[in-house]
Amino acid sequence: LAKTTQPISMDSYEGQEVNITCSHNNIATNDYITWYQQFPSQGPRFIIQGYKTKVTNEVASLFIPADRKSSTLSLPRVSLSDTAVYYCLVGDKNTGRRALTFGSGTRLQVQP
Amino acid sequence: EAGVAQSPRYKIIEKRQSVAFWCNPISGHATLYWYQQILGQGPKLLIQFQNNGVVDDSQLPKDRFSAERLKGVDSTLKIQPAKLEDSAVYLCASSLTTAMESEKLFFGSGTQLSVL
Repeated sequence: LAKTTQPISMDSYEGQEVNITCSHNNIATNDYITWYQQFPSQGPRFIIQGYKTKVTNEVASLFIPADRKSSTLSLPRVSLSDTAVYYCLVGDKNTGRRALTFGSGTRLQVQP
Repeated sequence: EAGVAQSPRYKIIEKRQSVAFWCNPISGHATLYWYQQILGQGPKLLIQFQNNGVVDDSQLPKDRFSAERLKGVDSTLKIQPAKLEDSAVYLCASSLTTAMESEKLFFGSGTQLSVL
């Protein structure tokens, strides 16, 4: 089971770009990388998922180097509402439906 | 599209009492998960269902926790008897099982349990 490591916390200011890096040295060939966001009193919410190179959606970008041993979630021009906990997970593609294992996440605090 | 529904939203009980949580997944989602999230930690998987069959319950404390998913739709999670350390948020999630990508989980808002 691939283990992920990410910073416990990060601070930023409104309007800045925030990059949260996650390491997953034991990622398997079939593993996808998925990021979730969690606000207080809510369940985690899917942000973005990728397998290799770069993925972009309306919320964030995900950068994955060729060796796939790490990934970086990029949040452009953060606002106060981006204050949340961000989880990086790896999960199998085409497997016996193995559930995603959450780590402790990165607590992002955005200041005005 | 309706999201994952959970009830109750909050529950306060005394230790040794029993409690039950209910979850209604997104329509058409074959896979259902129960997670336990203790304050300050990430969610921990308790049990995973595929339709009405159990896929993984390796982290479910079976001496006190039980879960069922009758007819492959709604699910209930029960704790009997509760202990102080069971105080946590219990999250239900569901996913549309596909063969093309990794699972994307959709979570409910959870039930916050306080055991006194």
